[in-house]
Amino acid sequence: AQSVTQLGSHVSVSEGALVLLRCNYSSSVPPYLFWYVQYPNQGLQLLLKYTSAATLVKGINGFEAEFKKSETSFHLTKPSAHMSDAAEYFCAVSDGNAGNMLTFGGGTRLMVKP
Amino acid sequence: KAGVTQTPRYLIKTRGQQVTLSCSPISGHRSVSWYQQTPGQGLQFLFEYFSETQRNKGNFPGRFSGRQFSNSRSEMNVSTLELGDSALYLCASSSPEGGETQYFGPGTRLLVL
Repeated sequence: AQSVTQLGSHVSVSEGALVLLRCNYSSSVPPYLFWYVQYPNQGLQLLLKYTSAATLVKGINGFEAEFKKSETSFHLTKPSAHMSDAAEYFCAVSDGNAGNMLTFGGGTRLMVKP
Repeated sequence: KAGVTQTPRYLIKTRGQQVTLSCSPISGHRSVSWYQQTPGQGLQFLFEYFSETQRNKGNFPGRFSGRQFSNSRSEMNVSTLELGDSALYLCASSSPEGGETQYFGPGTRLLVL
């Protein structure tokens, strides 16, 4: 069975500071990994996706994530936080062998202080 | 392309009633998945449909059911509503191959009183 752990349910950074959101996964097969963002009262928007083509994945809005197999991690980073980045972020995994079923982490709420 | 649409956006029901939620996928997408989002349990997979067949099912009671039509539109039904069914129900569509990116709709917020 797959599982995803997001360390830190709440992360607070100052505007302009580095954003680091942590995600660790377990999967019995090489996974597909995703980061989604959710703004209040909205659905989920895809930030980026890992599919084994490259370990460093660049996404929208300046976010990127690095796949580290040895650490079973897929942490999300952004060099400089903006107020508009305040939202909830979800890491998700799919093994691809069972259709498109996603297993999500518990989410991390990012707060950006002016 | 138009995104995933879900109707209705908000719904209030009472315990014991049933409810049907609708999802229209992105044009050309043939896989539709449903998820329940609650503060306590987070995002949980309900089921996935492809070519009018349920391909995967999450760990939910039989009161939760779904179907997919030939045009890929999908509905989910919850019978005998319980207070704990209050949640945001999200629909996502994607290409049918496993591991494909899922694109989410805005969700239907269901409140059970």
